[in-house]
Amino acid sequence: QSVLTQPPSVSAAPGQAVTISCSGSSSNIGNNYVSWYQHLPGTAPKLLIYDNNKRPSGVPDRFSGSKSGTSATLGITGLQTGDEADYYCGTWDSSLLNAVFGGGTKLTVL
Amino acid sequence: EVQLVDSGGGVVRPGGSLRLSCAASGFIFNNYGMSWVRQAPGKGLEWVSGINWSGGDTGYADSVKGRFTVSRDNAKNSLYLEMNSLRIEDTAFYHCARGYHNPDYWGQGTLVTVSS
Repeated sequence: QSVLTQPPSVSAAPGQAVTISCSGSSSNIGNNYVSWYQHLPGTAPKLLIYDNNKRPSGVPDRFSGSKSGTSATLGITGLQTGDEADYYCGTWDSSLLNAVFGGGTKLTVL
Repeated sequence: EVQLVDSGGGVVRPGGSLRLSCAASGFIFNNYGMSWVRQAPGKGLEWVSGINWSGGDTGYADSVKGRFTVSRDNAKNSLYLEMNSLRIEDTAFYHCARGYHNPDYWGQGTLVTVSS
């Protein structure tokens, strides 16, 4: 059972947009920065969003992040088949003194 | 270019030990805290351990506390994870990652299989 809650899966057609939610508590999302990662099992996870809404160099502006209270959201527009992957939110938990992650959301581009 | 190369995984019996290594390049290693994060088969990401830039501050997930030890050698740009008393549930890909609280760059992972 993950500390952060994400939907197990989302899907949409190419060119469409999706959002992935991440719900936590005041000890994690509520008082710490959120990151989002794209991951294909067996490979290195890739940072998409850091500090809630910032994109590293090289990440397309089709990816966006936001945070409100104890929840965060990843948005992806102009979906491409290459976006099919697992997406994870992550943050620091000030009570557990652990980094914590969501359970992951599998994105399918139909 | 930031590169993190994980190594040291393998097959080990329950109760056994293994030492993972992570070779870092492309950044000033001793400016950053580091983490180990694992992914068990069919499961999500789980933070295992973190260490600050100097090695003077370390943290562990409850699931590995007392069994795993993280360390670093800044002269060798390397991160380590000493794993003892391994359990079947420790089977996973282990990734090193740059950053203690919010990792950014990650290694490709090394597979640890605990099986009798």
